[in-house]
Amino acid sequence: DTAVSQTPKYLVTQMGNDKSIKCEQNLGHDTMYWYKQDSKKFLKIMFSYNNKELIINETVPNRFSPKSPDKAHLNLHINSLELGDSAVYFCASSQGGGPDNEQFFGPGTRLTVL
Amino acid sequence: DAKTTQPNSMESNEEEPVHLPCNHSTISGTDYIHWYRQLPSQGPEYVIHGLTSNVNNRMASLAIAEDRKSSTLILHRATLRDAAVYYCILFTLPYKLSFGAGTTVTVRA
Repeated sequence: DTAVSQTPKYLVTQMGNDKSIKCEQNLGHDTMYWYKQDSKKFLKIMFSYNNKELIINETVPNRFSPKSPDKAHLNLHINSLELGDSAVYFCASSQGGGPDNEQFFGPGTRLTVL
Repeated sequence: DAKTTQPNSMESNEEEPVHLPCNHSTISGTDYIHWYRQLPSQGPEYVIHGLTSNVNNRMASLAIAEDRKSSTLILHRATLRDAAVYYCILFTLPYKLSFGAGTTVTVRA
């Protein structure tokens, strides 16, 4: 009974391709997030959605487009992949986006761009 | 973005307590103090959070200084499974978690 799941776990692709990473949570949460962890292990938030509405959009290239078909899903589509996009991407969810709530993270998707 | 300062690493022996310090001198009145940890090859895991008062849960205790400019995460009896990177984070407007470099905890058997 995985709370936050991501697919695929590993993704290897060529520069210039378009790829998607899927995220699903079965916790009934209304807020979902995407984070990027680079090779230096720093975790940075990319996007946050609350009830399918975008509430946080950090300085992320517009090649990255999150899509939330419903409250339980937040997918990340990446166009024209570049070498610098190689990283581990984590999805997370919480009940409400406020500071008194814990976030539950998925296992991550390791993206390698060749 | 990170507004906290933590030691790079700490070592502990199994079954002994671990005290992880965190400085956050620029904390504002509405900022919550959150702790997450990340085990190797896994996603971050929530540990504990608090605002002003000390907090306890099944995983750890959080001791918050009276002026809130520092806090300490206490793992009461370290096990090998507690070896991880521990992140002290101020959950601040616009309500996002901003991870820093964290403290790498090593537990010796």
